[in-house]
Amino acid sequence: DTAVSQTPKYLVTQMGNDKSIKCEQNLGHDTMYWYKQDSKKFLKIMFSYNNKELIINETVPNRFSPKSPDKAHLNLHINSLELGDSAVYFCASSQDVRSYGYTFGSGTRLTVV
Amino acid sequence: GENVEQHPSTLSVQEGDSAVIKCTYSDSASNYFPWYKQELGKGPQLIIDIRSNVGEKKDQRIAVTLNKTAKHFSLHITETQPEDSAVYFCAASPTGTASKLTFGTGTRLQVTL
Repeated sequence: DTAVSQTPKYLVTQMGNDKSIKCEQNLGHDTMYWYKQDSKKFLKIMFSYNNKELIINETVPNRFSPKSPDKAHLNLHINSLELGDSAVYFCASSQDVRSYGYTFGSGTRLTVV
Repeated sequence: GENVEQHPSTLSVQEGDSAVIKCTYSDSASNYFPWYKQELGKGPQLIIDIRSNVGEKKDQRIAVTLNKTAKHFSLHITETQPEDSAVYFCAASPTGTASKLTFGTGTRLQVTL
């Protein structure tokens, strides 16, 4: 059983397109995150949701919009994709906002051409 | 905000030798310091963590030390094996910021036969 699963694993798309990445966790965790890993492997938080509510929103372009339909799901929608959006996007979850033991998904490699 | 620096960026050791990775952090309020291992094509996986009220923690071949005064912490891997080859990330989390990890820039460890 995959604890944190992301789909798709790979995504190749043209500039200007809109795309979504889905994330689901079956750990019963309350808190979920999106992290971006650039080509130099640097991991940076984008968003955090606790029980469907946005609690962390870093300096991310408005083109990125997270959505949490329930606490087990956190999706990421990206409008008007740009070349600089190419990266690996990781979803993660933790028991609650005070729990630091993250479980990461296996990532979605987004390539914008 | 918190800033975490990590050194070295690459590290090559022979099988059986020890490996040490060092990190410094800027926010004296940080109180949680995890280490993650990322294998090729996978998400980061928590391998060990330490809280600010502890100076050292060990788990089999892996140990972490923390010097709060100097604001640095280190990962020590003894008797390295080829399967230890991966990218290792340190991270820090300030108090009062709902479970927001700031990651170091990563160390690519290569264990050679």
